[in-house]
This record gives sequence, structure tokens and C-alpha cells, in this order.
Amino acid sequence: GEDVEQSLFLSVREGDSSVINCTYTDSSSTYLYWYKQEPGAGLQLLTYIFSNMDMKQDQRLTVLLNKKDKHLSLRIADTQTGDSAIYFCAESIRQTGANNLFFGTGTRLTVIP
Amino acid sequence: EAGVVQSPRYKIIEKKQPVAFWCNPISGHNTLYWYRQNLGQGPELLIRYENEEAVDDSQLPKDRFSAERLKGVDSTLKIQPAELGDSAVYLCASSLRGEQFFGPGTRLTVL
Repeated sequence: GEDVEQSLFLSVREGDSSVINCTYTDSSSTYLYWYKQEPGAGLQLLTYIFSNMDMKQDQRLTVLLNKKDKHLSLRIADTQTGDSAIYFCAESIRQTGANNLFFGTGTRLTVIP
Repeated sequence: EAGVVQSPRYKIIEKKQPVAFWCNPISGHNTLYWYRQNLGQGPELLIRYENEEAVDDSQLPKDRFSAERLKGVDSTLKIQPAELGDSAVYLCASSLRGEQFFGPGTRLTVL
């Protein structure tokens, strides 16, 4: 079955880089995603990576994928207080023409001014 | 363009009462999802619709949960009767070609 794991908490100082890690078990994942959830809000898609890629960069965000170890990471450069939120990694496994998402437990990022 | 709309945002009920949640997806999105997010957890899929057809309801507790998506647009999710363990945030999402857009959710508290 699908099992996506993340560490629960991360604290960084404003201006430093944050690295949020995720491991997954299903090798048939097609895409891997990072979502951000702020208090009282729904999930916002930050970025995603196709499973045959090993890196993707988008402004302050860098996603690294180690498919052999089934390890995904999200690096946020120059972390700001507005980045404080819960970050979820999710994998999709193509079934019947649509991508069902399986989420991790989320990592609560706290940015200290 | 409006995002995914859900109502109500908050609901407090006593156990054994019925409750219903409503979702209006992004216009033109044919796929609609209902997720449940327990406290401190990631969302878990309950049911997925392709237009008006429920194509994956394997995680929906069918003894007390039901859902419908008449006309393939809006959807409602119902719990009857609610139990204490149903307290959670119920999220609706919609998609057209893969990327899922989430609504703000309905936070249900069962007393």
C-alpha cells in the first residue's frame, strides 16, 4: 500500500534555508507534489516533479527526488515568516485515468524572526 | 476566477445527528474529490467523481456516509448519524487535467 512519511516539525531562522524531507513506498508513483497549508485554509499546490526527473527548481523552491531511495525533499531558500505553514508531500499513482493523491502527515515549518 | 467553494466553513453537532457538506468545484472541472483530514494528519481520499459518476469510493464508510454529484457539478457529502470520531476537516478538490485545486474545507466538530 501507499505510505508517505514526513518529520512532524521544523524550525528555521528567517533568511536561512529550510529543507523538508519525505519518504514514500510506492515505486509506481507518477508525480510527487508539495502542498502548503496555512491555518484555516485549504491546500495550495507549491510545486511538483515527474517521477523520471531528479531535480526541479522554481524561484526559491528546489525539489530533489531520489527515486532509488524513494526520497523527496523540498528546499526553500531565504525562508520568510510568511513561509510558516504545514507542508505536505503527496504521491500520485495513476489509476483508471486519474491521479489519486496519497499524502504524508505534514511537516509544520516555523520560521523564527 | 473563483476557486473551489465549500460551505459551511464550520459545523458543530451532537453525535447521532445528521450533517451535510456542500462543494462547488471550479467551473469546467470534471473531476471532484472529497477528502477527510484528521487533526495532525494529511488528507485521505473518501470519494472521487468523474462528472456525475463515483469512480472510486473504496474509502467511503458506506454505513453512514453518502455523497452525490447531481448534474456533474456541485456535490454534497452527508454523514448520518455522526459519531465522535467523525470530527475532522472535510476538504473538496477539483481538477481538469491532473492538478487538484482544494477548497478551504469544512471543520466538523461532533460533541
